[in-house]
Amino acid sequence: AAGVIQSPRHLIKEKRETATLKCYPIPRHDTVYWYQQGPGQDPQFLISFYEKMQSDKGSIPDRFSAQQFSDYHSELNMSSLELGDSALYFCASSLPPGQGVGTDTQYFGPGTRLTVL
Amino acid sequence: GENVEQHPSTLSVQEGDSAVIKCTYSDSASNYFPWYKQELGKGPQLIIDIRSNVGEKKDQRIAVTLNKTAKHFSLHITETQPEDSAVYFCAASEGGGADGLTFGKGTHLIIQP
Repeated sequence: AAGVIQSPRHLIKEKRETATLKCYPIPRHDTVYWYQQGPGQDPQFLISFYEKMQSDKGSIPDRFSAQQFSDYHSELNMSSLELGDSALYFCASSLPPGQGVGTDTQYFGPGTRLTVL
Repeated sequence: GENVEQHPSTLSVQEGDSAVIKCTYSDSASNYFPWYKQELGKGPQLIIDIRSNVGEKKDQRIAVTLNKTAKHFSLHITETQPEDSAVYFCAASEGGGADGLTFGKGTHLIIQP
C-alpha cells in the first residue's frame, strides 16, 4: 500500500540558513500534519492542514511556516535555523475529517532528519 | 492543553511473556487514543487505536483498554517476540477532525530471548 512520502530524507544546514521539507500524503488523504521529534523525545505536534487551510496549531515556532497545495502535498519552511532545530521531522496524513470512524487515523511518513551545524 | 503521562519508560520482559504499558491523560474532551510503535530511525507505526465509545479492542496479540472515568488507557502485548522490541508511544486527541496528537514520553520495550 502507498505510504506518506517525505523529501529529502536527510538535510544538513548551517545556522541561520533556511530549509524546506516536503510531504506527499497517502492518495485520497487530504489532511496533513507536521511533527518534530528531538533525540530520545516524543513527537511534538507543529501544525495541520485540511483542504489547504490551517486546521490545528501546536508548538510551531514563528520562524517556521507551512502550507498545503492544491494537490494536497505540504511544505514546511524553516528560516533562521538554530542548533536546537536539529531533529526528525515527520509528516502524517489522514482521510478527510467527518467522514466516519477512522478518518482521523494518522499515518506517519519515514521522516526527514535535519541537522543544523 | 492535553497532557499524557506514560509508564514505564523502560520495560524488559522475557520472550513469550506479556507486556503492559499504561497511559493517563488530562483533557476530558479527548476521545481518540492511538498507540504507535517506533523503531530506531523510522517513523511511528500505528499498531492499534481506540475511541471513547469502546472499552476494549483486540487485534491478535495486541489489546488496548480504556477507562474514560479514570482517564487512563493501557496497551497489552501477549506472547512477546523479539520483533516486538521498539519504543511504544501512546497518544490522545479530541478526534473527529484534523487535531494534532499529544504523545506520551514513550516506553522502550526490550524482549529478552
